[in-house]
Amino acid sequence: SQQGEEDPQALSIQEGENATMNCSYKTSINNLQWYRQNSGRGLVHLILIRSNEREKHSGRLRVTLDTSKKSSSLLITASRAADTASYFCAPYSGGYQKVTFGTGTKLQVIP
Amino acid sequence: GAVVSQHPSWVICKSGTSVKIECRSLDFQATTMFWYRQFPKQSLMLMATSNEGSKATYEQGVEKDKFLINHASLTLSTLTVTSAHPEDSSFYICSAQNPTTDTQYFGPGTRLTVL
Repeated sequence: SQQGEEDPQALSIQEGENATMNCSYKTSINNLQWYRQNSGRGLVHLILIRSNEREKHSGRLRVTLDTSKKSSSLLITASRAADTASYFCAPYSGGYQKVTFGTGTKLQVIP
Repeated sequence: GAVVSQHPSWVICKSGTSVKIECRSLDFQATTMFWYRQFPKQSLMLMATSNEGSKATYEQGVEKDKFLINHASLTLSTLTVTSAHPEDSSFYICSAQNPTTDTQYFGPGTRLTVL
């Protein structure tokens, strides 16, 4: 199975600032996804980046992938209070491999 | 848009009753789906792998007789929590494997509260 580990575990920033969180994984991947989870709510898919991609943008989100370092980062620019949530990465190795989640990064954006 | 749906999104039931949760892949046929559970303030823990047309594979410590999984079609897997107890209250999330793109997509989750 493949497990993602997010870092830092918690992050507190002021509204308008940028937030960066990182994900590390152990074995080679087919793709990696980032999800957001608001407290007590379900997972919301944010972005998928494939192993042959290095960077991907979606609105205020920028995801990078460094397969040589087995790491990915999620950057949220101009953060808003509504971005307060936990963020999880899901690295996927392909071939029906199981995905094991880390504890996520808990982001708090202070208005 | 969402490619994996779950129903219901939340459910409250009495202790001792059984609850069925559905996971559907909307845009593709999924021979393999996965079920996860998340307790408050904890991460998602894999419970079982659901294979279409065959028995599910359960992770260590997950009771197969309590958490019945049926993957009867290529777009639907169901998780039935039998004789639910308050300690089964949790967030249940499924994922579906798209074999064409070799990608897993996660559903939004179902919150189960057992009184």
